[in-house]
Amino acid sequence: RKEVEQDPGPFNVPEGATVAFNCTYSNSASQSFFWYRQDCRKEPKLLMSVYSSGNEDGRFTAQLNRASQYISLLIRDSKLSDSATYLCVVLVLTGGGNKLTFGTGTQLKVEL
Amino acid sequence: NAGVMQNPRHLVRRRGQEARLRCSPMKGHSHVYWYRQLPEEGLKFMVYLQKENIIDESGMPKERFSAEFPKEGPSILRIQQVVRGDSAAYFCASSPSPTGSSYEQYFGPGTRLTVT
Repeated sequence: RKEVEQDPGPFNVPEGATVAFNCTYSNSASQSFFWYRQDCRKEPKLLMSVYSSGNEDGRFTAQLNRASQYISLLIRDSKLSDSATYLCVVLVLTGGGNKLTFGTGTQLKVEL
Repeated sequence: NAGVMQNPRHLVRRRGQEARLRCSPMKGHSHVYWYRQLPEEGLKFMVYLQKENIIDESGMPKERFSAEFPKEGPSILRIQQVVRGDSAAYFCASSPSPTGSSYEQYFGPGTRLTVT
C-alpha cells in the first residue's frame, strides 16, 4: 500500500465548477499535511497547509480527518489557471528530522 | 528575497560520466532536501541535510549517489557513473529551522538530467 494515495484523474471540469480531491495516508504518525500544486515540468509550489480544524484560502478549502487518515481539497469557482497537478503531501517527524512524502498527484484540467 | 536556486537547469551526460547538481537554499534557511521525480511518477525523497551534516539519507540509492551541504556554498548532489535510469528531474527544497508547525518546504526550479 502506498504511503499517500490519490486518484490520479484527470478531472476535466468546466470553468466555474466546484471540484474536490481526496487523499488517504497510511502512517498514523504523520504530523503535518499540505497540498502542493505542480504545473507541467515545473517545481511543486505550496498551495496550503491543512489543519485539523479545516482551513480556507479564497476559493480553496482543505480538510483533515485524522481518525480516517483522510485529507481533502475543495476548489470552488474553478479557473482555467487552476489547471495543474495537485499533490497531497504528508510530513512524518523521525529521529532524523522531517521528511515529506508525496502522493503521485491528481491532474485537473479546467476547460472553457 | 531570492527563492531556492538550482543549477544547472538542464544537464546532459553520457553514460558513465559524473553529474553534479547544485542547490542554494532560501536566505535564512538552514535545511536542504533533495527529491527525484522520474517521468510520469511522483516525487521521491532522497536526502535531508543541514550544514555539514547528513540527517536522513534513507531515500538515497546505496551506490553512486552522494550529497553534501558544506559550511560555505551550495548543497551538492553528486551522481557518479550515470546510467539511463538516472534521467529525471531533481528538485531541491529548503526550510527554516523547523519550530512549532513550521515544516513547510519551498522548492527550487529543479535540474533536469538526461543521460544519453
